[in-house]
Amino acid sequence: GEDVEQSLFLSVREGDSSVINCTYTDSSSTYLYWYKQEPGAGLQLLTYIFSNMDMKQDQRLTVLLNKKDKHLSLRIADTQTGDSAIYFCAERRGGGYNKLIFGAGTRLAVHP
Amino acid sequence: SQTIHQWPATLVQPVGSPLSLECTVEGTSNPNLYWYRQAAGRGLQLLFYSVGIGQISSEVPQNLSASRPQDRQFILSSKKLLLSDSGFYLCAFQQFFGPGTRLTVL
Repeated sequence: GEDVEQSLFLSVREGDSSVINCTYTDSSSTYLYWYKQEPGAGLQLLTYIFSNMDMKQDQRLTVLLNKKDKHLSLRIADTQTGDSAIYFCAERRGGGYNKLIFGAGTRLAVHP
Repeated sequence: SQTIHQWPATLVQPVGSPLSLECTVEGTSNPNLYWYRQAAGRGLQLLFYSVGIGQISSEVPQNLSASRPQDRQFILSSKKLLLSDSGFYLCAFQQFFGPGTRLTVL
């Protein structure tokens, strides 16, 4: 099917690391993305990884890609209360128009 | 760099009324444009995409339609809104999203 799957909820303590996981279905996907959505707001592109890469690091964010298992993760180091939001993973399918297929989102709650 | 504008930001409409949501893109030409909808507590669903003026493809059958009258303008419309049309509508160019329109149908 077309599903991109994510766990729905994650709770972490401030200062700890958060790991948000995602599985996708299309082995021919070219790019995989992580977006952040705060309450009432649009989607902010956080980071992305090309499908021929295993890892990408950008400041506090680390993306790991296991292409064999079609598994993507986002690690947020030193999680802060401002990181509380919904995080969506998305895969870019090939074809003529390169549509994005989204997961349902993981709600990250950061508590003191 | 590209900028995506959407308006209005919020809209409350009665059932059966028409709808027109507008998206414009700056800083690029001949973009592929997309309309997505996010239902409450859900991920995003692709509704329409357009590869050029007058070229619209629909992903799912629904009460909505889209038009591309100009290269950098993409419009989402309905003749008669349903309750199920409520949601957060996002216009996108490549992997970048506009600020969205929150539509409530009462």
